[in-house]
Amino acid sequence: EVQLVESGGGLVQPGRSLKLSCAASGFTFSNYYMAWVRQAPKKGLEWVATISTSGSRTYYPDSVKGRFTISRDNAKSSLYLQMNSLKSEDTATYYCARHPEPVAGVMDAWGQGASVTVSS
Amino acid sequence: DIVMTQSPTSMSISVGDRVTMNCKASQNVGSNVDWYQQKTGQSPKLLIYKASNRYTGVPDRFTGSGSGTDFTFTISNMQAEDLAVYYCMQSNSYPWTFGGGTKLELK
Repeated sequence: EVQLVESGGGLVQPGRSLKLSCAASGFTFSNYYMAWVRQAPKKGLEWVATISTSGSRTYYPDSVKGRFTISRDNAKSSLYLQMNSLKSEDTATYYCARHPEPVAGVMDAWGQGASVTVSS
Repeated sequence: DIVMTQSPTSMSISVGDRVTMNCKASQNVGSNVDWYQQKTGQSPKLLIYKASNRYTGVPDRFTGSGSGTDFTFTISNMQAEDLAVYYCMQSNSYPWTFGGGTKLELK
């Protein structure tokens, strides 16, 4: 069974940093592109980042480019999201997701989400 | 960025209804639109990919169609367990963008 389990969420002050982790199991992690998607409270979904199988290619929307960094450790079947210079508008539930096809946006497995609150 | 506009934003429906919702892209996205279902308190779930392909295990009452800028998602025989918010997403060009969602509620 494919499982994605996020951790590392919490309350953080504006301007500070936080790192999310996603532990993957039930599939060969190194074969898949992976992504982060977020959802602000009572709002819709926003794609945040995608990383290639090797980690050599990463993709971001302008809203987080330069502040967020997606990375992975294939040996540990783990995905990460380093979030720096956090703003109140980054408050959201962050989902880890799997891309079944490379360089394609579709996401066929999602974690349960990690809650991040940016507030003083 | 490509804007995905979903309509309607909400629908009041009854079990057994045929439900149709729309997603309009601000520019041509080919067939690169996926549909997700999100039930209250749960993570999104993939239902349809590349406009019209039903994902593994998805009941055949869910169908998608369209190409270019106009896309349609249909539930042919609404079930109580289908109450959720449905999102379209384009993955034709970065940044990938979601529609605002269509919420299904019981009449």
